[in-house]
Formats: sequence, C-alpha cells, structure tokens
Amino acid sequence: QEQLVQSGAEVKKPGASVRLSCKASGYTFNGYYMFWVRQAPGQGPEWMGRINPNTGDTHFAQKFQGRVTMTRDTSIRTAYMELGRLTSDDSGVYYCARGTRDSVTGYFDAFDLWGQGTLVTVSS
Amino acid sequence: QSALTQPASVSGSPGQSITISCTGTSSDVGSYYLVSWYQQHPGRAPKLIIYEATKRPSGVSNRFSGSKSGKVASLTISGLQAADEADYYCCSYAGSRTLVVFGGGTKLTVV
Repeated sequence: QEQLVQSGAEVKKPGASVRLSCKASGYTFNGYYMFWVRQAPGQGPEWMGRINPNTGDTHFAQKFQGRVTMTRDTSIRTAYMELGRLTSDDSGVYYCARGTRDSVTGYFDAFDLWGQGTLVTVSS
Repeated sequence: QSALTQPASVSGSPGQSITISCTGTSSDVGSYYLVSWYQQHPGRAPKLIIYEATKRPSGVSNRFSGSKSGKVASLTISGLQAADEADYYCCSYAGSRTLVVFGGGTKLTVV
C-alpha cells in the first residue's frame, strides 16, 4: 500500500543541523511533489517547502529560505530535508507529505498521504 | 499567528451536527477552490478528509462535508461520534509564491 516512512527522533543542540528522511513506497515516487510540514507543540501545521522528485526543483516557504535544503534520491525513493542553525523554536514534529495537484490548473491541491512524523527536539 | 482563522474549539453531542469555519483572504480561500481539511488525532499524522472545498477522498465517511463561500470555507460533521473527537485543520492554496497556508486548528469535543 502507499506509505511514507520517516526516520527516527532526533535531539540536537542549538546551532546544529538536522537531516530527516522520508521513504516512499506503493506509488510512483516521481509523480508527486513531496512537501515537508512541521508542527510545533500545540500549534497548527506549517509548510516548509517542497521538492519535485522528478527534477529536484525546490520551493521553500519564505520563513525557511536560506536555512533549509531539500533533496531526493530517486533510486531509493527517498526524500530528505535538512534544516540548519537550529533554535528551540524549531522543536516539533516534522512530517513529509505527498502533495496532489489540481488537474485543471496544476496548482497545489491537498496533502493526501503523510508520513508518521519525526520528533525533533532542540535543547542545550 | 496562522494565515487562516478557525475557532479554537467547538463541541457537540453524539448524533448532532457541528460546523467549523475557516476564514481566509482574497489571496487564498477567496481566490481558489483548493481548500482542504484534515483530521488529526493526538499523536497521529493529519488525515485528509476534504479536498477542493467539497470533495471527499475515497474511504472518508459521508458524514463529513465541506463548503465554501467567498473567503470562508466550512467543514460540517453530521451524526457526531466519539471517534470524531480530534483537531481539525483547514488549508488553502495561496498563489505561486506563498503556495500553502494552514489554519490554526479547531479542537472538536464530543460531549
């Protein structure tokens, strides 16, 4: 069945970087944009950016520009997200999510498949 | 502060119906029908329950329905069940630059 399996929990110190992975199975990896969405404790989701697995093209939310990198390895159907210069405000659960596109406009439509989430804790 | 505004909480009794609103702007909800809703139980990933404002994915109960008028999207849950108790989030396409915006979430309590 279609699923996204994410890497395990991370504990990092302020100023460090974290690299998370998201392995896709059960569908055509190149056929859908992969997004990264984070959720701080008690808060709503916040999108960070997305990667086109087919081309490697990325688009980041302005808030994370210059601090986030997204890559993919199509041979193993895995997407990666690296976030640098971590602060305590970066603590939370990070999800990868498959993004669908509207068939008429090609615009982002919805997140129809989610990973289980990776807890990132930033603490000195 | 989230881009889309939702009530912090709503409640209802089993069997009743409730509606959750999601208010956006002319840059997101007001300009596109690409509004989606997600249900999230504690400790779980969000689950898509409505897309394109009114459509249900396969497997989602028809007790969940969506609508949109102008800058306000709404999620209605009819025949409330204990299992519906969760957080609900709206999301909208917001143009080629901003791309995606979320609401702050609504906690549904079934009393």
